[in-house]
Amino acid sequence: DAGVIQSPRHEVTEMGQEVTLRCKPISGHNSLFWYRQTMMRGLELLIYFNNNVPIDDSGMPEDRFSAKMPNASFSTLKIQPSEPRDSAVYFCASSLIGFEYEQYFGPGTRLTVT
Amino acid sequence: AQKITQTQPGMFVQEKEAVTLDCTYDTSDQSYGLFWYKQPSSGEMIFLIYQGSYDEQNATEGRYSLNFQKARKSANLVISASQLGDSAMYFCAMRGYGNNRLAFGKGNQVVVIP
Repeated sequence: DAGVIQSPRHEVTEMGQEVTLRCKPISGHNSLFWYRQTMMRGLELLIYFNNNVPIDDSGMPEDRFSAKMPNASFSTLKIQPSEPRDSAVYFCASSLIGFEYEQYFGPGTRLTVT
Repeated sequence: AQKITQTQPGMFVQEKEAVTLDCTYDTSDQSYGLFWYKQPSSGEMIFLIYQGSYDEQNATEGRYSLNFQKARKSANLVISASQLGDSAMYFCAMRGYGNNRLAFGKGNQVVVIP
């Protein structure tokens, strides 16, 4: 069974450009999470969805960030316009809903904004 | 809100020895799950072990075991017979009943030396 799939794996872009990160969760999972990891701030939850509905977006840094989940098998995280401080590794994770279920992480997208 | 505390500095451990990674947590939930993840230098987040708050026995998964002390709100990870491949950052996390967020600690760095 395929794990969580993220694309691209690496992204280098210039400040001001739009960046779109993509995620395909594990089939059957009904909860999806977007995280950002940096050396300075560690692992931060940006937003999560239950059954394709955004539940908590309090971690989204600002209006430049947006996330969508149009169906159960696809989600995007968009940054527009991107800034150098957005450089980080962005993880997508999925799980079943419930405190007893582990989250499975994708390989991450390493974003560099110059 | 849940809070996870991991305060140990980076650790060096001799190959084949056991190592214990400390994790304390704070929550007002009666039901919750505790998780440990491993992040090697390659960057992926790997789920290791789960302990439910109502589980009376400590969880074990191969060389990983969880020393769960509910009254002290601690969930320490024990890695037995360390291997060079165990060198990684280890994160403790928890998830409460009715809240799908996974709260992470800041991680413990482990380096296994031959």
